[in-house]
Amino acid sequence: EVQLVESGGGLVQPGGSLRLSCAASGFSFSSYAMTWVRQAPGKGLEWVSGISGRDSGYGTWTHYADSAKGRFTISRDDSKNTLYLEMNSLRAEDTAVYHCVKVLKPASSDIVFDSWGQGILVTVSS
Amino acid sequence: EIVLTQSPATLSLSPGETATLSCRASQSVLNLLAWYQQRPGQVPRLLIYDASNRATGIPARFSGSGSGTDFTLTISSLEPEDFAVYYCQQRNIWPPITFGHGTRLDI
Repeated sequence: EVQLVESGGGLVQPGGSLRLSCAASGFSFSSYAMTWVRQAPGKGLEWVSGISGRDSGYGTWTHYADSAKGRFTISRDDSKNTLYLEMNSLRAEDTAVYHCVKVLKPASSDIVFDSWGQGILVTVSS
Repeated sequence: EIVLTQSPATLSLSPGETATLSCRASQSVLNLLAWYQQRPGQVPRLLIYDASNRATGIPARFSGSGSGTDFTLTISSLEPEDFAVYYCQQRNIWPPITFGHGTRLDI
């Protein structure tokens, strides 16, 4: 069974930093591209960032939404089956539940969101 | 950036009826469109990918159609658990991956 468990969220002041982690199990983590998707309270879904898996067909890549570019950094440690999101210069509008999401197919850059973690709340407020 | 417009914003129906949800893209996304269901308090669930392929475990009452810029999610014989918010998502031209704003299906 696929399990994705996020951690590292919490309350942070504007301008502060947080590092989110996502511990993955139940699948061959290194083979899958992984993403972060956020949902502000009462709002819709917003893709934040993605990172390639092994043999994705398009080389190694990381991509970001404009709202995250220059402030957030996605990374992964395949030896630990863990995905990360380093978030700097946080703003009130970054307040959301952040979900770690696995894509549907291995060795692929097709971003179809397959399995979702329960999410971790990030609140940016003074 | 490809903008996805979902309509209606809210759809009120009764169990047993058929729901028709629309997603329109600002430019062609070929067939690279997916649909997700989000029940209250739950994470989104993949229903349909590549416009018409049902994900594993999704009942046959859920069907998707369309290509290019116009897509439809049809839910026949609505069950009580189908009342939720539905999002479409495109992956043809990215980044960014984009979602529609959602259609809320109410009883």
